[in-house]
Parts: sequence; structure tokens; C-alpha cells
Amino acid sequence: QKEVEQNSGPLSVPEGAIASLNCTYSDRGSQSFFWYRQYSGKSPELIMFIYSNGDKEDGRFTAQLNKASQYVSLLIRDSQPSDSATYLCAVTGNQFYFGTGTSLTVIP
Amino acid sequence: GAGVSQTPSNKVTEKGKYVELRCDPISGHTALYWYRQSLGQGPEFLIYFQGTGAADDSGLPNDRFFAVRPEGSVSTLKIQRTERGDSAVYLCASSLGGGGAYNEQFFGPGTRLTVL
Repeated sequence: QKEVEQNSGPLSVPEGAIASLNCTYSDRGSQSFFWYRQYSGKSPELIMFIYSNGDKEDGRFTAQLNKASQYVSLLIRDSQPSDSATYLCAVTGNQFYFGTGTSLTVIP
Repeated sequence: GAGVSQTPSNKVTEKGKYVELRCDPISGHTALYWYRQSLGQGPEFLIYFQGTGAADDSGLPNDRFFAVRPEGSVSTLKIQRTERGDSAVYLCASSLGGGGAYNEQFFGPGTRLTVL
């Protein structure tokens, strides 16, 4: 079992819709959770981080964390074509693990 | 500097050669990380430095890989006797504080290594 699992996609949503990206992790000791966006040929850039159970909102992005179920999700509201990228979930504690990423395409 | 920088941006070498990849972290960041990313995969952790010392090198795949950070700033990832399977993008990241938890990592542009 991989430490961090993501649906590789591709996920396609129409412009203006909500995109929902999910991530599960295996290490119950994980302490912090990050979402990175990676455009093709570029390095990952941080979108959001979350440490506590519940929701955290930042503009059009909402991260949700449920430690009991060991999942973290990212919602993107009012999706824009510029949101089209691969979204990487990262989980850290004593180790550093990234998922393989979910490819998102927002269709104009 | 303003961000994490890595040199070279591209490196092509022949099987069996030695290569060095350099990372210059954000000024003031004490933690530095090396990752390797293959096509269609997420970054794979290699090694993490806190200051000058390697706090966790459990991700280094074998003894051909070695990394240093002698003055607690710039780091060099060294790969001996390169193999075709070493071809990947090597990413460096830095964070302000120590440890992986609770510290956001900021990535450099990466070095694309191709071993022929």
C-alpha cells in the first residue's frame, strides 16, 4: 500500500463548476497536509496546508481534513481553465510523502 | 535570493559518469530537501537537511547517491556511476523551520537529468 493515494484522473470539469480532489494516507502519525499544484514541466507550488481536522478556506480553495478516516480533500470552486494542472497531495510527519497527483482539466 | 534556485536546469550525461546537482535555498531557510520526480509520478523523497547535517537520508536509493550541505545553505546532490534509471527531474525544496511537519516547502525549478 502506498503511503499517499490519489486518483490519478484525469478529472474534467466545466468552467465554473466545483472540482473535488481526494487523497488518503496510511500513516496515522501524519501531522501536516499540503496541496501543491504542478503545471506541466514546472515545479510544484503550494496552494494550501491544513493541520487540524475540519475545513480551511482560502479564496476559491477549501481543504478538508479528516484524521479519523485518514483522508484530505481539496475543493476548487468556480473552476477556471487556469486551474488545469496536476494537484499533488503531500503528507508529512516523520517522513515526507507525495501522492502521484490528480490531473485536472477545466473545460471552457 | 527570492526563491529556490537549482543548477543546471538540464544535465545530459553518459551511463557510468559522475554528476553534481546544486541547490541554493531561500535565504534564511534552515531545512532543505531533495526529491526525485519521474514522469507521471509525484516527488519521491531522497534526503532532508536541517542546517549542515542530514536529518533523514532514508530516501536515498543506494550508495551511489550522496548529498552535502557544508555551510548550511547551498546543497549538492552527487550521483556516482550514473545509470539510465537515474533519469528524472531532481527537485530541491527549502522550508523556514526544522522538521517536515508544519513547515511549508518551497520548490526550486528542478534539474532534469538524462542518462544516456
